[in-house]
Amino acid sequence: DTAVSQTPKYLVTQMGNDKSIKCEQNLGHDTMYWYKQDSKKFLKIMFSYNNKELIINETVPNRFSPKSPDKAHLNLHINSLELGDSAVYFCASSPRATGGYEQYFGPGTRLTVT
Amino acid sequence: KNEVEQSPQNLTAQEGEFITINCSYSVGISALHWLQQHPGGGIVSLFMLSSGKKKHGRLIATINIQEKHSSLHITASHPRDSAVYICAVRSGNQFYFGTGTSLTVIP
Repeated sequence: DTAVSQTPKYLVTQMGNDKSIKCEQNLGHDTMYWYKQDSKKFLKIMFSYNNKELIINETVPNRFSPKSPDKAHLNLHINSLELGDSAVYFCASSPRATGGYEQYFGPGTRLTVT
Repeated sequence: KNEVEQSPQNLTAQEGEFITINCSYSVGISALHWLQQHPGGGIVSLFMLSSGKKKHGRLIATINIQEKHSSLHITASHPRDSAVYICAVRSGNQFYFGTGTSLTVIP
C-alpha cells in the first residue's frame, strides 16, 4: 500500500487556469506538508497542517490555498496559474508536528504551466 | 546566505569508496534530516537526528550540535547510491533545506 500518494503525477496547464493537487496518507500521521522544488532542485516548504489546522504558512502567493478536509488529506489548490508556478510539488507527512519525526514523502506532482 | 550549507555540491566516486557529505547550519534546531532524492525524483528520508550518531546499513549520520554540523557517510559505495542527498533542519516551525549534493558512483 502506498503510504503517501499524490494525484496527478503530471499536470500540464495554461496560464490563468485553476488547478488542484491531491494528497493522501494512510499512515495515521497527524501532520502533513506541501513542498515546492524549483527548476534548480531547491526544496522549500510551503504549508504544514497538523490535525487539519494550519501551522506553517510560508511566504507563498495567496493564489495557493491548502485545504485539509481531514487529517489524512491535504490538497493544494492554485488559482490563476503563472509560468513561475512550474515546479515539482511534494506532499509529505510525519507522525507529529513538534519534536523530531521523520517525514514520508509522496512521489511528487510535476506541474508545467504554459 | 542560506541557513543550511552543504558540501560538496557535486561528488563523483569509484565504487567501493568511502564517501562523506557535510552539512552546516546557522540556526538553532530541534532536528536535522538527511534526505535522498533518486534520479527518478522520489524523496526518501534517510535519517532524523537531534544528537549523536545513527547507522542504517552502509549509511552513517552524525551531528555535532555545538558546532552546528552534520555529516553523512556512505561506506563501500555502490552505483545504486547515486542520487542527490539533501540536508534539512527544523528550527521551531520553520524548515530550511540545503541545495543538495549530487553523488555519482561509477562502477
